[in-house]
Amino acid sequence: NAGVTQTPKFRVLKTGQSMTLLCAQDMNHEYMYWYRQDPGMGLRLIHYSVGEGTTAKGEVPDGYNVSRLKKQNFLLGLESAAPSQTSVYFCASSYPEESGRFVWETQYFGPGTRLLVL
Amino acid sequence: RKEVEQDPGPFNVPEGATVAFNCTYSNSASQSFFWYRQDCRKEPKLLMSVYSSGNEDGRFTAQLNRASQYISLLIRDSKLSDSATYLCVVTPMNSGYSTLTFGKGTMLLVSP
Repeated sequence: NAGVTQTPKFRVLKTGQSMTLLCAQDMNHEYMYWYRQDPGMGLRLIHYSVGEGTTAKGEVPDGYNVSRLKKQNFLLGLESAAPSQTSVYFCASSYPEESGRFVWETQYFGPGTRLLVL
Repeated sequence: RKEVEQDPGPFNVPEGATVAFNCTYSNSASQSFFWYRQDCRKEPKLLMSVYSSGNEDGRFTAQLNRASQYISLLIRDSKLSDSATYLCVVTPMNSGYSTLTFGKGTMLLVSP
């Protein structure tokens, strides 16, 4: 059981280049997330998905696109990288638990992708 | 007021000490509370959930104070391996599904 995996682990891009970050989970989780983490800013949600074929914007979605074509994979795309997108990117997955009208979850994170945009 | 606020620290304590962190949240309707732990250059991992009645897991105790809108984490008999950043996490909505809101974290450094 690999849990949540991310590829690549590290990447250097030039401004204007594009790339796709891949997240894969083998826990059959419905929900998946992409975060970025910057010094002094904490974890910020970029996009998320509550099921195959669905995506939604998080707190900082501009400059990113996502796709969830398969339940186990969640792709994060940067169409034209900018230095402001230099960050550590974490993917996470979770399963929802319900009690009455409340839904909560435990998120499992991947090891992260360190991206440097020059 | 920010949704989830934490003292960034660092908290420097010797081995064996007891240390406590607080976290305040702004949305009084919040229902789910957690502490995650993040080691340097690693991913966050769930440490414990925080229940209304408080809960304990070994050396770790979590408390919730709804009236004052804060949660706390107490670590007894600190170990060197407890050195990490502790993230306070809140689900802000009171019904349905809502994404988690993470605090910026409190850094703990335990020294020999």
